[in-house]
Amino acid sequence: AQKITQTQPGMFVQEKEAVTLDCTYDTSDPSYGLFWYKQPSSGEMIFLIYQGSYDQQNATEGRYSLNFQKARKSANLVISASQLGDSAMYFCAMRELSGGGFKTIFGAGTRLFVKA
Amino acid sequence: SQTIHQWPATLVQPVGSPLSLECTVEGTSNPNLYWYRQAAGRGLQLLFYSVGIGQISSEVPQNLSASRPQDRQFILSSKKLLLSDSGFYLCAWSADLSSNQPQHFGDGTRLSIL
Repeated sequence: AQKITQTQPGMFVQEKEAVTLDCTYDTSDPSYGLFWYKQPSSGEMIFLIYQGSYDQQNATEGRYSLNFQKARKSANLVISASQLGDSAMYFCAMRELSGGGFKTIFGAGTRLFVKA
Repeated sequence: SQTIHQWPATLVQPVGSPLSLECTVEGTSNPNLYWYRQAAGRGLQLLFYSVGIGQISSEVPQNLSASRPQDRQFILSSKKLLLSDSGFYLCAWSADLSSNQPQHFGDGTRLSIL
């Protein structure tokens, strides 16, 4: 069963506008962490933002914010004021306890295209 | 500051040949180490993770193996590569196994099997 679901294979956004990348997750563990990573065409994985399952406030990091809706099990990434350099693959990931340790599971990703 | 080094950046190997990819971390001790594979245009598949020297957990049965001979060294190996082993391999580390620690990735190795 899918643990992390990203339903948007590709997204377009106009430069300077905001965009929301969707992510839903599935876990029965009350303690987990949610992450977003950016992967440019060069291939490196860049950590963007983290949200803990017990955090009351939505996480924010500069132009990135995480819209955390725990009851709906969603953790959407919002990028404000999009820039051309934001064009990349974006992965949602969940870190949960499994077999005595923690594992991180990644979604299939969303490719974001920022138009000038 | 912590850094992670992964090499080689690209590799072209014939079917049936052996493989050895190396990953080292600097600036931290007792990191948790991971090997992921990413097929073209797809997400990351966890292959192996290690919480300490000589401790390897395998996530997917396959012809790959991993070893951790030193605290900050993680090696991905194969005795005989298959065509299906082609992909982008990423090594990562995290500070510990708590749920709030992000993973930090190397630059990856693009492996092509001919």
